[in-house]
Amino acid sequence: EVKLVESGGGLVLPGASLKLSCIVSGFTFSDYWMRWVRQAPGKGLEFIGEIKPDGSKTNYAPSMKGRFTISRDNAKNTLYLQMSSVRSEDTATYYCARRHGGYPRYYFDYWGQGVMVTVSS
Amino acid sequence: EIVLTQSPTTMAASPGEKVTLTCRASSSVSYMHWYQQRSGTSPKLWIYETSKLASGVPNRFSGSGSGTSYSLTINSMETEDAATYYCQQGSSYPPTFGSGTKLEIK
Repeated sequence: EVKLVESGGGLVLPGASLKLSCIVSGFTFSDYWMRWVRQAPGKGLEFIGEIKPDGSKTNYAPSMKGRFTISRDNAKNTLYLQMSSVRSEDTATYYCARRHGGYPRYYFDYWGQGVMVTVSS
Repeated sequence: EIVLTQSPTTMAASPGEKVTLTCRASSSVSYMHWYQQRSGTSPKLWIYETSKLASGVPNRFSGSGSGTSYSLTINSMETEDAATYYCQQGSSYPPTFGSGTKLEIK
């Protein structure tokens, strides 16, 4: 069974940093591109970025470049999202997801349960 | 970036009713994918590559479309289908989602 489990969320002060983790099981982690998506309360889904299977390349949505860093540790089956200089607008549930399909069919076939990040003083 | 516009934003359907949700892209895309999100849960892949049902999805669901216009249809609405449905394109980077259609049961 494929499982993705996020952790590391919580209440964080504006301007602080936070690192989210996503531990996966049930598939060969090192074979897949992995992605992060967020959802502000009551809002839609927003793509953050993705990372290549070997970790050598990352791509980010233009609006996310600069304050978010995606990394992975294939030995630990773990995906990370480093968030820096967080703002109130970063308050959201953060999901890790697996990318599936080849171009131009890319889609998200498995999602974690999500982790809530609240930015507030 | 490609903008996906979903309509309607919200709708309510009676059990047994036929339902059609639409998703229009600002530029042509090769495929459309759909996700179901029930309240308080994470999104689930529902329809991929425009018309293929994800594992476990009832066959009362179907997807169609091409170019800039796509749709998700429920042949006969059931209570368990009440959820928000999002379309998503992966043909052009970055991948983008529609703002969702909230489907309620009457």
